[in-house]
Amino acid sequence: AQKITQTQPGMFVQEKEAVTLDCTYDTSDQSYGLFWYKQPSSGEMIFLIYQGSYDEQNATEGRYSLNFQKARKSANLVISASQLGDSAMYFCAMREGPSGTYKYIFGTGTRLKVLA
Amino acid sequence: KAGVTQTPRYLIKTRGQQVTLSCSPISGHRSVSWYQQTPGQGLQFLFEYFSETQRNKGNFPGRFSGRQFSNSRSEMNVSTLELGDSALYLCASSLDRDSNYGYTFGSGTRLTVV
Repeated sequence: AQKITQTQPGMFVQEKEAVTLDCTYDTSDQSYGLFWYKQPSSGEMIFLIYQGSYDEQNATEGRYSLNFQKARKSANLVISASQLGDSAMYFCAMREGPSGTYKYIFGTGTRLKVLA
Repeated sequence: KAGVTQTPRYLIKTRGQQVTLSCSPISGHRSVSWYQQTPGQGLQFLFEYFSETQRNKGNFPGRFSGRQFSNSRSEMNVSTLELGDSALYLCASSLDRDSNYGYTFGSGTRLTVV
């Protein structure tokens, strides 16, 4: 079974609008971390945002926010006021396991295209 | 400050050959991880090194190996290359193993096996 599921292979959004990229996860751990990364065409993965399983507040970093719904095991990324430079692949990732032996699992990604 | 540097950026090798990829992490970062990225399988974890010790290993055959030096630089070696090894190999570093600031990734080495 997939541990990280990103059901949207591709998304389009109009410039300046908000977009939500979906991510669901599966773990039996009580303590885990959720990450979002952006990968432009250049190939380099860029860390965007982190949410810990015990964090009660949704994480925010500038135009990025993470809509964390623990009971539903979802960690959707919301990008507000989309810009052309946001066009890229976006990966959701989960860190699980005991501290010191963490494993990171990545989803298959969502390709976002921002339209002018 | 300098980011994660991977060399070479592109590589073409023949089946059966071996290859060594290099990764220089951000200064001060002691944890280095390697990932293989392919269109079909996505990002798959290869291994992680911390303070010169391999702390974690993914489900890859023994042809894939790595090491980390005292200056935290890391190398990854693939022996007896197969066509299926063609992929983007990404190196990522972090300050420590439990960082909540995510990895800093390099731009990758694109390996093509012919």
